[in-house]
This record gives sequence, C-alpha cells and structure tokens, in this order.
Amino acid sequence: DAGVIQSPRHEVTEMGQEVTLRCKPISGHDYLFWYRQTMMRGLELLIYFNNNVPIDDSGMPEDRFSAKMPNASFSTLKIQPSEPRDSAVYFCASSLRSLGREQYFGPGTRLTVT
Amino acid sequence: AQKITQTQPGMFVQEKEAVTLDCTYDTSDPSYGLFWYKQPSSGEMIFLIYQGSYDQQNATEGRYSLNFQKARKSANLVISASQLGDSAMYFCAMRVTQGAQKLVFGQGTRLTINP
Repeated sequence: DAGVIQSPRHEVTEMGQEVTLRCKPISGHDYLFWYRQTMMRGLELLIYFNNNVPIDDSGMPEDRFSAKMPNASFSTLKIQPSEPRDSAVYFCASSLRSLGREQYFGPGTRLTVT
Repeated sequence: AQKITQTQPGMFVQEKEAVTLDCTYDTSDPSYGLFWYKQPSSGEMIFLIYQGSYDQQNATEGRYSLNFQKARKSANLVISASQLGDSAMYFCAMRVTQGAQKLVFGQGTRLTINP
C-alpha cells in the first residue's frame, strides 16, 4: 500500500508568491496532519483534520497560511504571500483513530522562499 | 500544557554498543501515549515504538525498547546492538488522549554511530 504522498518534494519561490503544498493521505485514514520543521522551532503541528473537517488550527502561524481538505484523499496547505521565514520542511501525516497509535509521515516538502 | 524534553542534543556511540536516548514529559492528563520517531539524513520520519500510559509492560520492537518510568515521567528509548544505520535524529513525542490526536514533539537527539 502506498504511504503518504506529498508534492512537490522541493519548492523554491520568491517572496510574495503563492505556494501550494499537496498531500494524499493513506487510503482509509481518517486523520490528516500538517507539520512544519525548522531548526529553530523543531517540529510544530500546524493544523489537523478529522474526516475532512479541520479540528485544531491553533498552530497556523498567521492568516497567510490556509489549509483545506476537500475530500478524504487530498489536502492542500497554501501560503499567500510567502515570506523568507516560511522556509522549512512541511510534513503531512495521516493516521487511523481506531488503531490509536502512530501517525504515518510523508516524505516532506522542502520550501525555500528567497 | 504538554511538553516533551530531550536533554541530549547529540550522542556518539561505538557500533554494537547499546544506547539510551532520554525523554521526559509533562502532562496532567492521566491518559496519554508516547512515541519515538527516527529521522535519517534523507528527511523522512519513521515511527519506531509506542507506549500507552496504561500499558503495564515496557514496549519493545526488535532492537528498540522503551524504558517507561511513569512516576518519573520519563520514556527513554533504548537501542540494543547499535548499527551504523542507526545514525539519525531521534524524536520523542506525546499524544494527550483528551486532546484527540495531536502530537507534541521534543527537540530531538542526533545520534552518531561510530565504526
């Protein structure tokens, strides 16, 4: 079975541009998570969904960030406008509540904003 | 608030030795789960082991075991017979059940296995 799929794997953009990161969770999983990893702040949870509904977005840094999950097999994280301090690795993860255990992480998207 | 503390920024170990990575946590919730993830230089996050707060025995997964000391609020990862491929960042994380599926991560420990 395929794991969590993220695209693109690398993104380089200029400050002020819109960036869209994409995620396809593991089929059948009912939770989806977006994390950001930086050297300074470590791994931070940005937002998570349950059955396509956003449950907790308290980690979203500011209004420039938005996330959607239009269906069970797809989610996006959008940054508009992007800033250099948004440079980080963004991970998507999914889990199945009935298993109650680990979250399965995607390979991450390395974002560089110049 | 929930917090995970990993006090060892880096560790160096000889191949085939056992290694213990420290993790302490803070929560007032009686029901929680503790996780360890490995992040090699390639960047992916790999789940290693899980311990529930009500589990009576320490979790084990192959060469990985979790030394769970509830009263001390510690959940140390023990890797037996270390291998060169164990060189990576290791993250301890906690899920507070009452907070649904949210994970809180520690800052990580960089483990280097020397030949």
